[in-house]
Amino acid sequence: AQTVTQSQPEMSVQEAETVTLSCTYDTSESDYYLFWYKQPPSRQMILVIRQEAYKQQNATENRFSVNFQKAAKSFSLKISDSQLGDAAMYFCAYRSYNYGQNFVFGPGTRLSVLP
Amino acid sequence: GAGVSQTPSNKVTEKGKYVELRCDPISGHTALYWYRQSLGQGPEFLIYFQGTGAADDSGLPNDRFFAVRPEGSVSTLKIQRTERGDSAVYLCASSLSPSASTDTQYFGPGTRLTVL
Repeated sequence: AQTVTQSQPEMSVQEAETVTLSCTYDTSESDYYLFWYKQPPSRQMILVIRQEAYKQQNATENRFSVNFQKAAKSFSLKISDSQLGDAAMYFCAYRSYNYGQNFVFGPGTRLSVLP
Repeated sequence: GAGVSQTPSNKVTEKGKYVELRCDPISGHTALYWYRQSLGQGPEFLIYFQGTGAADDSGLPNDRFFAVRPEGSVSTLKIQRTERGDSAVYLCASSLSPSASTDTQYFGPGTRLTVL
């Protein structure tokens, strides 16, 4: 079974600075998808960025980018120019390409943005 | 609809009672998922529907939990003989084409269940 680990329960960043959230995962599959979701206090899970494992190029989405290291099974999220609205829980998630459609989520990292 | 909706937003019940949690997916989405999120943890998969049928129910913790989606749209998660350990936020998500590489799951705001 796949597992997802986020080793940083809490992180903080100064407004306008850059922060990187870590995620590692364990799988025996070669094809899969990785995601970062944001969950503000409203509980609504919001997709931040996604990465297909067969793509070598790291995904970017405006101020959000990932560092995908397939051999190391690492998938970190970089948030540039942090804004107060970025404060939330961030979850890393894995989805199999071939087996099942559900996500396997990590335990999350709580990000605080300091003014 | 504009997004995934879930009702009620909060549900408080007593140990041993029966509860139903409702999910309205985005219109046209054929896939529907239920997750459970305990305090301080990430969501855990419960069940996945493709159309009206449960394609994968491997995440249901025991036979007190079951879910239906009779017309391929709205789904109801049913919990019998609730226990204090069932207290959690129950999240629903839907997606358009789960077999497509570009498929994305859209989540509802969840139902917070508290069992006293």
